[in-house]
Amino acid sequence: QKEVEQDPGPLSVPEGAIVSLNCTYSNSAFQYFMWYRQYSRKGPELLMYTYSSGNKEDGRFTAQVDKSSKYISLFIRDSQPSDSATYLCASHTGGFKTIFGAGTRLFVKA
Amino acid sequence: DGGITQSPKYLFRKEGQNVTLSCEQNLNHDAMYWYRQDPGQGLRLIYYSQIVNDFQKGDIAEGYSVSREKKESFPLTVTSAQKNPTAFYLCASSTQGARRNQPQHFGDGTRLSIL
Repeated sequence: QKEVEQDPGPLSVPEGAIVSLNCTYSNSAFQYFMWYRQYSRKGPELLMYTYSSGNKEDGRFTAQVDKSSKYISLFIRDSQPSDSATYLCASHTGGFKTIFGAGTRLFVKA
Repeated sequence: DGGITQSPKYLFRKEGQNVTLSCEQNLNHDAMYWYRQDPGQGLRLIYYSQIVNDFQKGDIAEGYSVSREKKESFPLTVTSAQKNPTAFYLCASSTQGARRNQPQHFGDGTRLSIL
């Protein structure tokens, strides 16, 4: 079993939709959770960084962590074609090793 | 602008050849990392370095080597021993907070292919 799992998609939504991206993880020691956005042929870009359980909002993006169920979510409101990318979730315990999910491909249609 | 620069963007390797991928950062980060990304798989850690002149093997270090002679630079050599080198290689760096490692920031990658 992978330590961080994501549905690879692709997920296709119309412009303006609310997008929900999800990950599950298996390591109870994970304390820090991240979402990265990766455009084709580019490096991942950090979108959200959260600690422990709870919600964090930044503009159109909301990250949610539920440690009791080991579930991580990213919500995108008013999705735009420019949001079309691969979204990677990641976790670590506070140390140097970060575990990444394989990514979910998102397409937002104009 | 601060950031991580990887070069070249595309690289081709012949059989039996060693090739070196460059990674330079001007973020003043202590830690640097190399990952390999293959389609449908998460990022896999090749090597990481927490300070100058020190580095540790990651999960898939066989066939790769690194050096860390300067804080800003962490080059990766893909040796001829790496039999399946075709992949997208990503370099990252991070700083360390008071009690935890901060999230990693990435360069734009080098795509390596076999000729």
